[in-house]
Amino acid sequence: DAGITQSPRYKITETGRQVTLMCHQTWSHSYMFWYRQDLGHGLRLIYYSAAADITDKGEVPDGYVVSRSKTENFPLTLESATRSQTSVYFCASSVLSGNTIYFGEGSWLTVV
Amino acid sequence: SQQGEEDPQALSIQEGENATMNCSYKTSINNLQWYRQNSGRGLVHLILIRSNEREKHSGRLRVTLDTSKKSSSLLITASRAADTASYFCATDANFGNEKLTFGTGTRLTIIP
Repeated sequence: DAGITQSPRYKITETGRQVTLMCHQTWSHSYMFWYRQDLGHGLRLIYYSAAADITDKGEVPDGYVVSRSKTENFPLTLESATRSQTSVYFCASSVLSGNTIYFGEGSWLTVV
Repeated sequence: SQQGEEDPQALSIQEGENATMNCSYKTSINNLQWYRQNSGRGLVHLILIRSNEREKHSGRLRVTLDTSKKSSSLLITASRAADTASYFCATDANFGNEKLTFGTGTRLTIIP
């Protein structure tokens, strides 16, 4: 049971480049989420999706784009990476709103 | 902005002792969840308590919820070295999981 997997796990990129973080879940959960985790800020919601082709902004969506053409995939794209986007990114999923959220192992992104 | 705030930020105790962490939040909630994060890993769900519940147990974990004070506590009894981790509370602020917000966490260290 693979659960929820993120790739790449570690990436270094340059300012201005486009970066896509992949997220795949094997449970067919309806909800998927992207969070970023930074010291002093905890986890902040970037975007979420309630189902395929339905996405919505979270607390810190600027500079990010998401899509969800298939239930199992929820990629996060940084269109033009900035140093302030250096962070650990977590993808997560849940069956329904209000249920337990299951997290991936994280993607460490450094923008230089 | 953080809906939940954990206290203390860091806690060190001897193995075998009990550990208590607190979470305060600002607005009405449907439920409150506690998660654990081991260093370099994703978050793992521990327990969910609904707004109409006052106490919940799961193994060595005991969670209380006081909606009048907008606070919750997580008690870990008979701590073990493996309990060393960061602990986060998360609240849904009456909007369901799509608005689940996390605190900045309590870093718990168990001294063998």
